[in-house]
Amino acid sequence: DGGITQSPKYLFRKEGQNVTLSCEQNLNHDAMYWYRQDPGQGLRLIYYSQIVNDFQKGDIAEGYSVSREKKESFPLTVTSAQKNPTAFYLCASSYDEGMETQYFGPGTRLLVL
Amino acid sequence: QKEVEQDPGPLSVPEGAIVSLNCTYSNSAFQYFMWYRQYSRKGPELLMYTYSSGNKEDGRFTAQVDKSSKYISLFIRDSQPSDSATYLCAMSAGNMLTFGGGTRLMVKP
Repeated sequence: DGGITQSPKYLFRKEGQNVTLSCEQNLNHDAMYWYRQDPGQGLRLIYYSQIVNDFQKGDIAEGYSVSREKKESFPLTVTSAQKNPTAFYLCASSYDEGMETQYFGPGTRLLVL
Repeated sequence: QKEVEQDPGPLSVPEGAIVSLNCTYSNSAFQYFMWYRQYSRKGPELLMYTYSSGNKEDGRFTAQVDKSSKYISLFIRDSQPSDSATYLCAMSAGNMLTFGGGTRLMVKP
């Protein structure tokens, strides 16, 4: 069964803590993306990666970091520098960065304690 | 002004109605247009994909693109309660996607 998985479904962060959101895909897609969604707002791009060991900042990268050590995996770390991390985080993938059709995972809701 | 504008709704219609959802945009370089459906607390799923201008039909869904007016539409015929969701338009010039804010649709039985 091909698709994108994200874990956990819900994540709680304490003040000053770094947390990592997992994203895995078995679609053999080259490009992967992280978006943030706030209520009533569209998706905003945090980071994207076209190939393994390479990634670029999106529109709102400050306070976030990523890695792309494997084609299937693109974890996102929300660092303590991100002062307003409460949001719904969505991971997506596509065949390549030039391909317009992106497929999304089920999302992770991050809440601050 | 946002690059892609979408009325947030909510849009409430009775079951069986024809629904029209719309987006306007300002970037004339956009040539790929998509509609995503997002149920509450779920990831968006791709509904329709259109290249350049014209219409595309898939079952009860029809996507229209008017590049001269920088306006795209999604029509849903014979709407069902299961169509209740947020609909996001997205568009691209061939690289990154730019999303609208989404329109929340409620179809009442």
